[in-house]
Amino acid sequence: DTEVTQTPKHLVMGMTNKKSLKCEQHMGHRAMYWYKQKAKKPPELMFVYSYEKLSINESVPSRFSPECPNSSLLNLHLHALQPEDSALYLCASSQDRSGTSSYEQYFGPGTRLTVT
Amino acid sequence: AQSVTQLDSQVPVFEEAPVELRCNYSSSVSVYLFWYVQYPNQGLQLLLKYLSGSTLVESINGFEAEFNKSQTSFHLRKPSVHISDTAEYFCAVSDQEDTDKLIFGTGTRLQVFP
Repeated sequence: DTEVTQTPKHLVMGMTNKKSLKCEQHMGHRAMYWYKQKAKKPPELMFVYSYEKLSINESVPSRFSPECPNSSLLNLHLHALQPEDSALYLCASSQDRSGTSSYEQYFGPGTRLTVT
Repeated sequence: AQSVTQLDSQVPVFEEAPVELRCNYSSSVSVYLFWYVQYPNQGLQLLLKYLSGSTLVESINGFEAEFNKSQTSFHLRKPSVHISDTAEYFCAVSDQEDTDKLIFGTGTRLQVFP
């Protein structure tokens, strides 16, 4: 299984709502990532979890709150977002825990988020 | 710190023509290099990668890329494109000692016309 799954596919939320994005991988990877991608731009790294611990936070506003409840799951909790936060949110994973994998990141299909 | 430059934001070609998408990188350390493809409304898929060994790497769908250390380049080529190759292509680089930070280029939109 070389798949990263993300739910929901689409999400529309108001600026006062609280919602969560979910990502799952069953490849035994040690690292999981959240990226934000605006239209016609490359993905921008937001957070990295390594062995379920937050290892990189790219100065993301606190209205985005990541969580890694176990080795297969990654959540992104959203609260009080702004319209400029509308984007495609991509999850990725990489590197099996034995350290023998070849470093590429496997991406999910993304969640298209619209903030109204 | 690394950086990646994709000079061509758009490359229009006719079907069955050859194509080259250019990628140059800048880094003071040893790197791994990747090409990802993104079809409309989808996530990124790995097309090919260079980690070590042979400088010419190939994908299963006819693309190839050559790592040129002296020119710090990793250009992507295909001898004959199909309509289905229409997509956004991203070149990316990571530090061999810090593979969690993947630095992307700005992308090249390949548009294949019939």
